[in-house]
Amino acid sequence: GENVEQHPSTLSVQEGDSAVIKCTYSDSASNYFPWYKQELGKRPQLIIDIRSNVGEKKDQRIAVTLNKTAKHFSLHITETQPEDSAVYFCAAVDSSASKIIFGSGTRLSIRP
Amino acid sequence: GAGVSQTPSNKVTEKGKYVELRCDPISGHTALYWYRQSLGQGPEFLIYFQGTGAADDSGLPNDRFFAVRPEGSVSTLKIQRTERGDSAVYLCASSLSRGSSYEQYFGPGTRLTVT
Repeated sequence: GENVEQHPSTLSVQEGDSAVIKCTYSDSASNYFPWYKQELGKRPQLIIDIRSNVGEKKDQRIAVTLNKTAKHFSLHITETQPEDSAVYFCAAVDSSASKIIFGSGTRLSIRP
Repeated sequence: GAGVSQTPSNKVTEKGKYVELRCDPISGHTALYWYRQSLGQGPEFLIYFQGTGAADDSGLPNDRFFAVRPEGSVSTLKIQRTERGDSAVYLCASSLSRGSSYEQYFGPGTRLTVT
């Protein structure tokens, strides 16, 4: 089955700097890669996603890239703000399986 | 409109007891998923329903866990003979239909503590 690896597990950046989180997946059948933000005690919230027919997608300060050949995908947050502090999860979905396979999470802290 | 709701929000039970966790999906969503999130980890898939039937229960850890969705809407996750290792947040999600074309919307979760 699918396995998603995520790193780093923790990340601290200065406010205004960029943050990058990287993930790899194992199953070439995965074709949809959502990213979730989870604040303490809250539910996971979808922040951006990318499908396998696209190499890059951007939404304001957030961008995702996908390298299908290498089975790598990344989240980039620019001009970080205190409200970006949270745990971020990458994930992979196989269109036939429907279930989401999550990475282990990255705790992002923004230093003032 | 109303999102996915789960009850109870917190449940404390003694080892060996039986518990039921309820999920109310978004109205009209035919697909419903259960995930389990242990402390410091990502959610892990348990089971997925399309309509009333369990389309994939490969994530259920053992036969103490069972889930139903008798009318294709509300779902109940049932855990028998609870163990301390069952302590986690149980998340429910629903989507308009099956497949990666449809976003899964998560509920707030039920925090289960087994003492």
